[in-house]
This record gives sequence, C-alpha cells and structure tokens, in this order.
Amino acid sequence: QVQLVESGGGVVQPGRSLRLSCAASGFTFSTYAMYWVRQAPGKGLEWVAIISYGESNKYYADSVKGRFTISRDNSKNTLYLQMISLRAEDTAVYYCAREPQFGYYYMDVWGKGTTVTVSS
Amino acid sequence: QSVLTQPPSVSGAPGQRVTISCTGSSSNIGAGYDVHWYQQLPGTAPKLLIYDNNNRPSGVPDRFSGSKSGTSASLAITGLQAEDEADYYCQSYDSSLSGSVFGGGTKLTVL
Repeated sequence: QVQLVESGGGVVQPGRSLRLSCAASGFTFSTYAMYWVRQAPGKGLEWVAIISYGESNKYYADSVKGRFTISRDNSKNTLYLQMISLRAEDTAVYYCAREPQFGYYYMDVWGKGTTVTVSS
Repeated sequence: QSVLTQPPSVSGAPGQRVTISCTGSSSNIGAGYDVHWYQQLPGTAPKLLIYDNNNRPSGVPDRFSGSKSGTSASLAITGLQAEDEADYYCQSYDSSLSGSVFGGGTKLTVL
C-alpha cells in the first residue's frame, strides 16, 4: 500500500543541524512532487517546503528559507529535509506528504510524522 | 496569525449538521485557487478530506461536503457522528507567498 515513513527526528540544541528522511513505498516516487509540513505542539499545520518530482523546482516558507533544504533521491525513494541553524520555534512534528500532481497544491498522502525538539 | 481564517471551535449534537468556514483573500482563495480540507483525529496525522473545493477522495463518506465562493470556503458535515470529533484544516495556495497556506484549524466537538 502507499506509505510514507519519516525518520531522523530527535532533540537538538539551538543552532545545530538535523536531517530528516521520508521513505516512500507503494507508488512510483519519482513521478510525484513532495512536501514537508510541520505542526508545532498544540498548534496548526504549517507548510515548510515542496520539491518537484525531478528536483528542478524547490520552494520554501519564509520562516525556513535559507536554513532548510529539501532534496530527494529517486533511486532510493527517499525525501530529505536538511535543517541548519535550528531555533526553538522549529520544534514540531514534521510530516512528509505527497502531491498528486505538481501544481495541484494539495497533499493526498501523509506520513505519521517525526518529532523535532530544539532545546538546550 | 494564519493566512486563512477558521473559527477555533464548533460543536454539534449527533445527527446534526455543522459547517466550518475558511476565509482568505485576493491572493489565495479569491484569486481562484482551490481549497482543500484535512481531518486530523487526535494523535494522528492529517488526512485529506476534500480536494479541489468539493471533491471527496475514495473512502470519505458523502456526509462531508465542501463549497467555495469568492474569498471563502466552507466544509459541511451532516449526520454528525462521535468519530467526527477532530481538528479540521482548510488549505489553499497563495500567490503572494508562493506557497501553500493553511487555516488555523477548527476543533469539532460532538456533544
């Protein structure tokens, strides 16, 4: 079945880095655009970044621009989020999600999420 | 402050009908971008409920429906059931931000 499994979350000090991964299965990963969406504790959903199926297009929320990098390895069916200069306000559950077709602007499949806590 | 505005909470008794509003602006909903809705049950990941304003993915009951007009959209739930108790989020695209935007979420309580 179609599945997304995030990993790589944990507790990290402010200013440090972390890389999240999202393993995809059950569909042809290389033909779908992919998102990262986060949810701070007790808060709503926030779009973080999107990458096109061929990695040629990447867009970021202003809150993470210049600090986060979205990438993918289609040979490994894996999506990544490299996060540097982490701040307390980056503390959240990070979800990866699939876009049914690039430019459709919604997420039809979601992973269960991985938790990132930025704290000293 | 979310770009899309939703009421923080709504409630209804079993069997009743409730609606959740989502208000945007001329750079998102008013610009013609579609509105999508997600259901997030307690402790779980969001799930796509309505896409492209009024379409239901396979498996979503027809008790859930969506509509859009001008700079706003609505989610309606009829025949309210206890298992509908969840957080609901609207989402669209914003051309001035060049990215997706979400509403702040609405907590539905089934009385």
